[in-house]
Amino acid sequence: GAVVSQHPSWVICKSGTSVKIECRSLDFQATTMFWYRQFPKQSLMLMATSNEGSKATYEQGVEKDKFLINHASLTLSTLTVTSAHPEDSSFYICSAFNPGQGVETQYFGPGTRLLVL
Amino acid sequence: GIQVEQSPPDLILQEGANSTLRCNFSDSVNNLQWFHQNPWGQLINLFYIPSGTKQNGRLSATTVATERYSLLYISSSQTTDSGVYFCAASLSGNTPLVFGKGTRLSVIA
Repeated sequence: GAVVSQHPSWVICKSGTSVKIECRSLDFQATTMFWYRQFPKQSLMLMATSNEGSKATYEQGVEKDKFLINHASLTLSTLTVTSAHPEDSSFYICSAFNPGQGVETQYFGPGTRLLVL
Repeated sequence: GIQVEQSPPDLILQEGANSTLRCNFSDSVNNLQWFHQNPWGQLINLFYIPSGTKQNGRLSATTVATERYSLLYISSSQTTDSGVYFCAASLSGNTPLVFGKGTRLSVIA
């Protein structure tokens, strides 16, 4: 199979703190991972594309200095929300492409729910 | 970029009924996926179907790539089928998926 995990599942933090979310591909190597954000009753919106060993590519309107993405290995990408504010409260989901399967499908992690007080 | 539109936005079904959800996409794609988002937010991968027809139990999907649409069929619906169904498409597996706005399905007993 192709399993993607995320940690933590839930995080509650005070305004101004930084939060790190991990996305791991457990049984395959992912050169490319994606980070999405979903607000209540809305669809998933792409935040950034995370490439192993290089800088992430951010979507228009996403602050790269606020949402730091690091893809230091073929199985791990991290998203750090720096100086989080209540408007950053959202559901963050990562996905990864498994090039070894020979199909173009992507696999999604279970998501991380962030609440900033 | 790719545009993905889903219809209907909301659907209420009596348990046991059948339904068809539609997804239109604007460009040729090599990746089209259907997901069910459960109440906890997790995206359950239903089908990877850039073309053709697939079936999995009470669910089936058909994509007509030349006409740029995909259909998800749910037969004999159950209350556990409730949730949001998303269609998403991309040019390839290592390019980002573009999601439609989803169809919110409620199956009532």
